[in-house]
Amino acid sequence: KAGVTQTPRYLIKTRGQQVTLSCSPISGHRSVSWYQQTPGQGLQFLFEYFSETQRNKGNFPGRFSGRQFSNSRSEMNVSTLELGDSALYLCASSSALHSGGEQFFGPGTRLTVL
Amino acid sequence: AQSVTQLDSQVPVFEEAPVELRCNYSSSVSVYLFWYVQYPNQGLQLLLKYLSGSTLVKGINGFEAEFNKSQTSFHLRKPSVHISDTAEYFCAVNRRGGSYIPTFGRGTSLIVHP
Repeated sequence: KAGVTQTPRYLIKTRGQQVTLSCSPISGHRSVSWYQQTPGQGLQFLFEYFSETQRNKGNFPGRFSGRQFSNSRSEMNVSTLELGDSALYLCASSSALHSGGEQFFGPGTRLTVL
Repeated sequence: AQSVTQLDSQVPVFEEAPVELRCNYSSSVSVYLFWYVQYPNQGLQLLLKYLSGSTLVKGINGFEAEFNKSQTSFHLRKPSVHISDTAEYFCAVNRRGGSYIPTFGRGTSLIVHP
């Protein structure tokens, strides 16, 4: 089975712009989660989608949004970018077949905001 | 709610020496426990998990961890490390019957010196 894929792998934007990141989960996985990873804050949960509905949400401002399509692919959008949004954005998928909520991670998208 | 504390942010060790990465968790209910590894410029990869049964769990690359309920710990060990084990290690906890979203620790950077 193919793993979780994320596009693009690297992105450079300027303050005030918006960005869309894409994630394709493992085939058959219906849960997709997004995380922000920075050296200072570690791994922080953004939100989780399951069957096209946001099921869980972390503590991030409304500039961060996401959606999930009927094929379980997910996109994450950040509007009005700030310097502090520079981070590695990780997508993870999960299946009810994997007990305990084991997460399968993609390689991440490295976002740099100038 | 649950929380995870990784007691060491960085652990330097010489090649072929044993290593222990410490993880303590807090939860009012029974939990599932995980250790993930992240190599540079990659996503997280599952090393091992405790769901139930034997408290000693063996994972990939020669790592093992022991679940200690009385001390609420899940320390990761390897008897002899290699240069290639240099990476970031994350402990994660998820409560039984909860959402599929685990809580991650801040990570421990394992640095193996020749």
